[in-house]
Amino acid sequence: GQQLNQSPQSMFIQEGEDVSMNCTSSSIFNTWLWYKQDPGEGPVLLIALYKAGELTSNGRLTAQFGITRKDSFLNISASIPSDVGIYFCAGSSNTGKLIFGQGTTLQVKP
Amino acid sequence: KAGVTQTPRYLIKTRGQQVTLSCSPISGHRSVSWYQQTPGQGLQFLFEYFSETQRNKGNFPGRFSGRQFSNSRSEMNVSTLELGDSALYLCASRKGLAGDHSPLLFFGPGTRLTVL
Repeated sequence: GQQLNQSPQSMFIQEGEDVSMNCTSSSIFNTWLWYKQDPGEGPVLLIALYKAGELTSNGRLTAQFGITRKDSFLNISASIPSDVGIYFCAGSSNTGKLIFGQGTTLQVKP
Repeated sequence: KAGVTQTPRYLIKTRGQQVTLSCSPISGHRSVSWYQQTPGQGLQFLFEYFSETQRNKGNFPGRFSGRQFSNSRSEMNVSTLELGDSALYLCASRKGLAGDHSPLLFFGPGTRLTVL
């Protein structure tokens, strides 16, 4: 079945640093989504990408839909302590079924 | 517009018991999905309901079941609880209207189930 490989699994960075994480798939997706989950809460949708090559920003977050349609990247610039959490990528084919990555746990040291 | 709500937020049960979790989707959303989240296992898809019918199902044993009511509210039931069922159970909703394959899922805060 379809699988998503998300990396890195975890990151421990200094406040102010930039962060980059990515997801790769064995299959082509029509949509890529990025979620953030705070401790003890449900995931919150950050960015949705609908076209190959699309680059979308949401504040300090920037995500890209890879041109092969098999990967996506999320960058966070100038990290702050409240960026701490688990970031999930998710890909969807034309059936609308979502496949989730395993998550990247981000820790930020003040 | 109110978000997805789940009750209860926390639950403690013992092995062998059964449990029912409840989810109210965003107003106007007719599709409700359930996920199990455990450390190291990520988000595992349980099932999706649309218009009171199960539309998709993940690879979980029959002890896990669900249903959806005419107002789109959904319940999930786990019978004969095992220690390994301890997890955060997340409900998510989307419009899911006919012909609308939008994958945008909106999650609730989850129910933390602990099985002792």
